[in-house]
Amino acid sequence: DGGITQSPKYLFRKEGQNVTLSCEQNLNHDAMYWYRQDPGQGLRLIYYSQIVNDFQKGDIAEGYSVSREKKESFPLTVTSAQKNPTAFYLCASRAGTAITDTQYFGPGTRLTVL
Amino acid sequence: AQKVTQAQTEISVVEKEDVTLDCVYETRDTTYYLFWYKQPPSGELVFLIRRNSFDEQNEISGRYSWNFQKSTSSFNFTITASQVVDSAVYFCALSEAWDNFNKFYFGSGTKLNVKP
Repeated sequence: DGGITQSPKYLFRKEGQNVTLSCEQNLNHDAMYWYRQDPGQGLRLIYYSQIVNDFQKGDIAEGYSVSREKKESFPLTVTSAQKNPTAFYLCASRAGTAITDTQYFGPGTRLTVL
Repeated sequence: AQKVTQAQTEISVVEKEDVTLDCVYETRDTTYYLFWYKQPPSGELVFLIRRNSFDEQNEISGRYSWNFQKSTSSFNFTITASQVVDSAVYFCALSEAWDNFNKFYFGSGTKLNVKP
């Protein structure tokens, strides 16, 4: 089945530690995205990548880093510089830049800082 | 400024009632797309519909219908004869031609509670 997988589903981290969230897609999509969702809030864009080896900051990139070494993978690292990292993180992908392309989402990772 | 506004934070209805979720958008582009997504308690966003700026025809899919009105910059979503399984958070989103439709702007969501 084609789709987007995110792992782990739940993640706990101690303050001061970096942690990496995984996002993999087998849809052969060019573009990938990371969003953050806080309780009762909408989605805020962290980073996005339109092609391999290229990515752009979104609206709340501070304290996060990404890489795009392979088309199917777009891992997100939450660094210790992120002051309030507890949130629900959603990864999405999109086929390309065609007018009809839609973003499809993974199941999400819930990160809790202890 | 918010590009997509969903003024209804939370709505509660009783099963079988009809309910309309409002979405107002703001853009200077003449070419854009509007979307609705459903987020059930599990968390994953599920794509429901995409509409382009040149097509103002209403769309119906089963119990779901969408009303797109450029004159009021609105793209409202109606669920007819609501069911408990419709309980979720619903997001409206906008993408624009100026950046090749790459960025999606999401509203803050409307939480729908359907009670039996």
